[in-house]
Amino acid sequence: NAGVTQTPKFQVLKTGQSMTLQCAQDMNHEYMSWYRQDPGMGLRLIHYSVGAGITDQGEVPNGYNVSRSTTEDFPLRLLSAAPSQTSVYFCASSRGRQGGGELFFGEGSRLTVL
Amino acid sequence: TQLLEQSPQFLSIQEGENLTVYCNSSSVFSSLQWYRQEPGEGPVLLVTVVTGGEVKKLKRLTFQFGDARKDSSLHITAAQPGDTGLYLCAPGVSNDYKLSFGAGTTVTVRA
Repeated sequence: NAGVTQTPKFQVLKTGQSMTLQCAQDMNHEYMSWYRQDPGMGLRLIHYSVGAGITDQGEVPNGYNVSRSTTEDFPLRLLSAAPSQTSVYFCASSRGRQGGGELFFGEGSRLTVL
Repeated sequence: TQLLEQSPQFLSIQEGENLTVYCNSSSVFSSLQWYRQEPGEGPVLLVTVVTGGEVKKLKRLTFQFGDARKDSSLHITAAQPGDTGLYLCAPGVSNDYKLSFGAGTTVTVRA
C-alpha cells in the first residue's frame, strides 16, 4: 500500500544550491500537486498537474519548477535555494473531480536552507 | 491573504468537553473538505460537504456546510486525546484547482 511516496524526508541545503524533491504515486491518479506548509500559514499550493504533460502554477510558484512526464511521477525542483524556502513540503494526488476530489498526501519532506 | 479563514488558531480542552472550529470565507464554494493532520504526517480527509445546509456526522464529529456555501464548521462531542491534531479546511477540487488550504486549527485534548 505505497500510495504517495516522497523522498527525501529530510534535507539541508546551502543558499544557492539546487535540488529535486521526488514524488511518486501508484494509484493512477491524474491530479498531482505540491504544497508547502509553514507555521500559521496552512498548506499553500505551489504547482499542480491535471495529467501527464500538463502543469500549472498555484498560489506560491516562484523559485520552483515542476514537470510531469509520466502519470506516476511529479518532481519539484528548487533551482537556487533560498532561506525563505525552508519549509515542509507535501505532495498530494487525487482522482480529481470525478473521484470526489479526495487528496492523498505523502508524509512530507522537511527542507532547511542555511 | 487566506481565502479560507479558520478560527480559532489554537484550542486546548479537557477530555470529555465539546469544541467547535470554524472555516469562513467571503467566496462561495461548490464543496469544502475537512482534513486532520497529525505530527509528522500528511493530512487525511475526514469529510467533503457539497450541499448548502448539509450536516454530516462521523462518529463524534459533526460537520456543517453553511446555507450560502461560504462557511463550514466542525463540532466534536466529548473530545478524546485521539482527536488531537491540526484540522484543516480546503476547497474541494470541484472548485478552482488553484486554491489553497486554510491555515488550520490546532486542537489539543488533555487527558
